[in-house]
Amino acid sequence: DTAVSQTPKYLVTQMGNDKSIKCEQNLGHDTMYWYKQDSKKFLKIMFSYNNKELIINETVPNRFSPKSPDKAHLNLHINSLELGDSAVYFCASSQGQLYNSPLHFGNGTRLTVT
Amino acid sequence: RKEVEQDPGPFNVPEGATVAFNCTYSNSASQSFFWYRQDCRKEPKLLMSVYSSGNEDGRFTAQLNRASQYISLLIRDSKLSDSATYLCVAPAGGTSYGKLTFGQGTILTVHP
Repeated sequence: DTAVSQTPKYLVTQMGNDKSIKCEQNLGHDTMYWYKQDSKKFLKIMFSYNNKELIINETVPNRFSPKSPDKAHLNLHINSLELGDSAVYFCASSQGQLYNSPLHFGNGTRLTVT
Repeated sequence: RKEVEQDPGPFNVPEGATVAFNCTYSNSASQSFFWYRQDCRKEPKLLMSVYSSGNEDGRFTAQLNRASQYISLLIRDSKLSDSATYLCVAPAGGTSYGKLTFGQGTILTVHP
């Protein structure tokens, strides 16, 4: 019954490694997002996909590569992890691509890079 | 001016109190706004949507002032369970692609 689910919930890894976070939504929404919440609790958008097409790509290092195999899935791959990548990463979805649609969040992936 | 700005607080209020948070936004063309609630180590959850002058849901009232470009959230008869961070959300300027910008959050603690 989970609307937006992401895995894993916790990810602890060393600098230089490559890791992936997966996200799936069963709400039938067209648009999916990745947000990053840093230690100061600021939520910042990273990417957005609408029907598998990338529509928002904020100033994010190209070590971060999103992939959307279909509109219900949006994965995030991170290469060469750095200490500053430690944060909570939230996947979200919304109906349509207009800004009047609220976001539905997954429960987050807490990434710790050591 | 930041795209979305909130008073970070913290607000410490007793049970039963009325508390209000303000949020200012920079995009004068914004039409829709949201208040989210985030509990510690949890995901943000939608509390209220604000599409016109305001919205009311039980003890919670959101008001929109377009002239001054701010929205407010009023919580009446505060409960211990209202303790959380409240996030104001507004569309960023110049796009219709669902780019919603979050404020830094206002921390509320309700004590007995």
